[in-house]
Order: sequence, then structure tokens, then C-alpha cells
Amino acid sequence: EVQLLESGGVLLQPGGSLRLSCAASGFIFSNYAMSWVRQAPGKGLEWVSAISGSGAATYYADSVKGRFTISRDNSKNTLYLQMNILRAEDTAVYYCATPGWYRPFDHWGQGTLVTVSS
Amino acid sequence: EIVMTQSPATLSVSPGERATLSCRASPSVSSNLAWYQQKPGQAPRLLIYDASTRATGIPARFSGSGSGTEFTLTISSLQSEDFAVYYCQQYNNWPPLTFGGGTKVEIK
Repeated sequence: EVQLLESGGVLLQPGGSLRLSCAASGFIFSNYAMSWVRQAPGKGLEWVSAISGSGAATYYADSVKGRFTISRDNSKNTLYLQMNILRAEDTAVYYCATPGWYRPFDHWGQGTLVTVSS
Repeated sequence: EIVMTQSPATLSVSPGERATLSCRASPSVSSNLAWYQQKPGQAPRLLIYDASTRATGIPARFSGSGSGTEFTLTISSLQSEDFAVYYCQQYNNWPPLTFGGGTKVEIK
């Protein structure tokens, strides 16, 4: 059974930094692209970033480009999202999902809440 | 960027009735479109992919149709567990991957 488990969400001030993690199990992690998708409170879904199975290719939404970095450790079956220079508008539940690389998102984690507020 | 527009924003339907949800893409996304269901406090769940293929375990009352720029999700006979928010998403041309704004299906 595929499982994705996000962690790392907290309350922090604007301008701060945070790293989210997504632990994957139940599939060959290195074979699949991964994405982060976020959802602001009461709002719709917004794709944030994607990474290829090898980690060689990465893509970002314009809203986070230059501030967020996606990465993965295939030896640990873990996906990361390094978030810097956080803004109030980054407040959201962050989901990891797979595959999303010219394919739909078959599997989603349960999400982790990031709140940016002074 | 491909823009996905869903209508209506809210759909009021009685249990047992048919629900028809629309999604428009601009420009065309061929058949590279998915539908997701999301209930409060839960992650989205894939219902339909490639515009018309049901995902594993999805009941037959859910069906998808369309191609190019116009797509439809039909729920043939609404059950109590179907009241939720539904999103369409294109994966034809990216980045960015884009979602529609959602349609909330509520009890009439």
C-alpha cells in the first residue's frame, strides 16, 4: 500500500524558513516523480513544485520560485521542501503527491499545516 | 499557463439525483485531465484520469467525458458520501500544473 506522510509544518513569522518532509513507502520511490501541492485555508489547490524520480529535474510555480527548493533522498525514500523568506500568503496545508509528471496524482499524503503569521 | 475554469461554483442536488459538473481549459489540454474529490479535512482523492478513465476503486456512478477544452464529470445518482468539493486538473502542458477553482456539491 502506498503511503505518504508529511511532517514539519509549524507556526512561524514572516521571513522565516522551514523544511517539510514527506516519507514514502509501499512503492519504488526512485521510479516516481513527486510534487508538493498546497491549499490555503478555505481555498483551492495550488501546485507548488515537482521533482523527477532521479532528482535531476525540478520545476516551480512562479509564486515560490527563488524561495522554495524541492529535493529528494532516494536512499531514505523521502521528499523535501525547503521554504525560505516565507510570507503570510504561503500559509496553507502542504501535500506531497505522486506522480504528477504528465500523469495525474494517484496518491496524496494527509498534509501538513504551515502558518506564517506575526 | 493553462487556465482551468470550473462551473458552477456550488451545485445543490438532492440525494439520488444526477449531478453534472463542468470544467473548461484554455487552451486545449487534449485528454490529459483529471478529476479529484475532496472532503473536509481530507486530502484530495483521484476519481477520473485521462478525461474518462475511472481510477481504481471508484464507483461506476462517477463518469467523465470531454476532450480539448470542455470536460464534464457526472455523478449519476448522488449518495450521501458524494457531497464534497470536486476539482479538475490538467497535466498536458506544464509547468505549471493547474487546477480548477472547484465545485462544491451540497445537499439540496
